[in-house]
Amino acid sequence: KQEVTQIPAALSVPEGENLVLNCSFTDSAIYNLQWFRQDPGKGLTSLLLIQSSQREQTSGRLNASLDKSSGRSTLYIAASQPGDSATYLCAVSRQAGTALIFGKGTTLSVSS
Amino acid sequence: KAGVTQTPRYLIKTRGQQVTLSCSPISGHRSVSWYQQTPGQGLQFLFEYFSETQRNKGNFPGRFSGRQFSNSRSEMNVSTLELGDSALYLCASSLVQGAPTGELFFGEGSRLTVL
Repeated sequence: KQEVTQIPAALSVPEGENLVLNCSFTDSAIYNLQWFRQDPGKGLTSLLLIQSSQREQTSGRLNASLDKSSGRSTLYIAASQPGDSATYLCAVSRQAGTALIFGKGTTLSVSS
Repeated sequence: KAGVTQTPRYLIKTRGQQVTLSCSPISGHRSVSWYQQTPGQGLQFLFEYFSETQRNKGNFPGRFSGRQFSNSRSEMNVSTLELGDSALYLCASSLVQGAPTGELFFGEGSRLTVL
């Protein structure tokens, strides 16, 4: 059974700091991995999607990497801003587009 | 381009009642998935519909059901509500089942409170 773990559960950093969020999964037979952002009481916003054949994806200040063999992904946020404060969720799928297995998320707080 | 639309956004029910939640996917998207989010269990997959057929189902009791219409809009129903059904119910759409990217786009959710 696939399990997804995100460490740490919460993280507080000052504005401008570079940071890394971690995601690990127990079954390396994944189709893709997605990182989402969730603001309090809101839905999920897709940040980055990495196909199983890819090693990393970048969007602006965000960079996500994937190491399938070790069951790990990292989300790197450069030059953090208070607007980055949110919960970041990692999810993997076994087949295309469906049945994502989510981690519990990392709640990030960036202070100005 | 409009995103995924869920209605109602908030609702309060009492134990034993039933509830129906609605989801309109992004225009052109044919696959709709439903997830339940609670503080204790996090996000859990309920079911996925494509072309009006349920393709996948999560580990939830039969009180949870859904359907998809020919225009890809979807509804989920929870009967005989229990206190533990209080949650944020999220709908997600994707272009097609088996799409190369498999990227899901989520709505804002329907927050259900059961008293």
